[in-house]
Amino acid sequence: ETGVTQSPTHLIKTRGQQVTLRCSSQSGHNTVSWYQQALGQGPQFIFQYYREEENGRGNFPPRFSGLQFPNYSSELNVNALELDDSALYLCASSFDDLNNEQFFGPGTRLTVL
Amino acid sequence: SQQGEEDPQALSIQEGENATMNCSYKTSINNLQWYRQNSGRGLVHLILIRSNEREKHSGRLRVTLDTSKKSSSLLITASRAADTASYFCATDALYIQGAQKLVFGQGTRLTINP
Repeated sequence: ETGVTQSPTHLIKTRGQQVTLRCSSQSGHNTVSWYQQALGQGPQFIFQYYREEENGRGNFPPRFSGLQFPNYSSELNVNALELDDSALYLCASSFDDLNNEQFFGPGTRLTVL
Repeated sequence: SQQGEEDPQALSIQEGENATMNCSYKTSINNLQWYRQNSGRGLVHLILIRSNEREKHSGRLRVTLDTSKKSSSLLITASRAADTASYFCATDALYIQGAQKLVFGQGTRLTINP
């Protein structure tokens, strides 16, 4: 167990809807990153939050947004869902030391119909 | 785009045999990490090797890093059925703000047959 939790475990939405995924980081970790993993692929970096501010974004459109809270929890919001958004969404927390490992949560499986 | 490329994409061996997976990457790195993923769930960190290290051991795992060839290998010795999983290498790439972004390969699917 990494001490990182995510909710919900599974989620089914329809095209055009909005979704919020949640992550609870390890206590004391001030950095959280979100990844999208399509079936059969490696995780792809969406964005990172450091001390409640966005601190780097991958190749994802603005309809992917996030929040990080002082209590080590964070959210990933996706607006105007598309079929291709169906994936496993992973959050990972770490200290701000660049060489520290990232601790991943179990993920949220999102299906868009 | 994914920086790391694992080879092979799938590997099936008998229990007790050794399994070797390779990873190649494109840009300079500070460190390279290997992760395991069971059945599409969360990733478990296995080992981190820094760019100034050439080899690292952790239990039955041995990782090598060749920065001149931009490649790494993960060796699992005396494999067990519980080692069945997907294995990913991940390298770090910095943004302007200095955020550590992990760039993953597509992974190697390892199956250990009893």
